[in-house]
Amino acid sequence: GQQVMQIPQYQHVQEGEDFTTYCNSSTTLSNIQWYKQRPGGHPVFLIQLVKSGEVKKQKRLTFQFGEAKKNSSLHITATQTTDVGTYFCAGLISNFGNEKLTFGTGTRLTIIP
Amino acid sequence: EADIYQTPRYLVIGTGKKITLECSQTMGHDKMYWYQQDPGMELHLIHYSYGVNSTEKGDLSSESTVSRIRTEHFPLTLESARPSHTSQYLCASSESVRGLYYNEQFFGPGTRLTVL
Repeated sequence: GQQVMQIPQYQHVQEGEDFTTYCNSSTTLSNIQWYKQRPGGHPVFLIQLVKSGEVKKQKRLTFQFGEAKKNSSLHITATQTTDVGTYFCAGLISNFGNEKLTFGTGTRLTIIP
Repeated sequence: EADIYQTPRYLVIGTGKKITLECSQTMGHDKMYWYQQDPGMELHLIHYSYGVNSTEKGDLSSESTVSRIRTEHFPLTLESARPSHTSQYLCASSESVRGLYYNEQFFGPGTRLTVL
């Protein structure tokens, strides 16, 4: 079954408000990646986090990897209409030497102008 | 910009037809993937390949089949299309794993399939 869950599934925010999506795994992750998919488009890689407790920033976007490496978050400050889309986390899960990237369920962000 | 291509971009066909969705990448990536995605919904991995002559089924059961005869080419075939196959199919590729830095996946533009 699905091992990487995201909440919320949908988020509607007023332009200028902040937005956060959370990613939770039932198992420890080797690393986590974040992707953005614009409406009608395909997923595009944003960033990768590897270390426990790691925090990375890209302009208004802040990505965090939990201390236990089982959860992650993406926070967008002062949203803009260009932030519209679905945000997916993807966790690398190692299982007896086999590694597989498992995508989360996604959070769809819509912006009210 | 990633160099991964999918054709056709849109396909409308009748039930029972055999179809092949093409995916090619020019980046020399070993790993390639096929995902099925309904609009705005989750990505479901249906097939993947870690190199030439290597193919595996993904998490979501699919009636489609794949082949990997050349590094750059990873076509997906449906022998007999049904309305339940209507969806978007996304192809992706990535380099081989390097330690903990599992390389990002580059996605193609997708094929929107409609089976009538």
